[in-house]
Amino acid sequence: DGGITQSPKYLFRKEGQNVTLSCEQNLNHDAMYWYRQDPGQGLRLIYYSQIVNDFQKGDIAEGYSVSREKKESFPLTVTSAQKNPTAFYLCASSVGQGSYEQYFGPGTRLTVT
Amino acid sequence: GENVEQHPSTLSVQEGDSAVIKCTYSDSASNYFPWYKQELGKRPQLIIDIRSNVGEKKDQRIAVTLNKTAKHFSLHITETQPEDSAVYFCAARPNSGNTPLVFGKGTRLSVIA
Repeated sequence: DGGITQSPKYLFRKEGQNVTLSCEQNLNHDAMYWYRQDPGQGLRLIYYSQIVNDFQKGDIAEGYSVSREKKESFPLTVTSAQKNPTAFYLCASSVGQGSYEQYFGPGTRLTVT
Repeated sequence: GENVEQHPSTLSVQEGDSAVIKCTYSDSASNYFPWYKQELGKRPQLIIDIRSNVGEKKDQRIAVTLNKTAKHFSLHITETQPEDSAVYFCAARPNSGNTPLVFGKGTRLSVIA
């Protein structure tokens, strides 16, 4: 899991601003994922990508956008349309189709006021 | 789609006692069931997993059991220690192509010295 990095660790934004969270991996994994974590809510899937230039919506995609232009990178943009953006955001990756284990990055805690 | 229920949401045990966390899933085609441990402010880390062709798996003080007929699986921690205190998540992977893991809402385990 040390091969997945997220930056920054803490991020503060004013309401109405878009913000982009970084996720990079050097594990040569095909698949990457974004989760949102709120107290008592577990891990909820925002978006995932199984291959470069392709991605799918998860359970709570509204107000978020992603891109997958490079295998190593899967940035998440939290737009002003997201009603409650304050949360802990976790990026993860796995080898790809047919693989099992999923590795997580260290997370970014976003606070919007 | 797949739905994973996890119980209890909080669990307190005395040091040295055993702890059991249970999860149920809805999709009978799910074939992979990992357990993650998340310490405060850190990333979830895989501690043990089981695949649908196995009924039980052990790793030192940790074991996981799977009952495919009843669609439930459990995490067992024996001889608990204070460092076992954390939030534990179960998950299931639906056997439908590239579908990501579906997580339970977590169990906060406190081991009292």
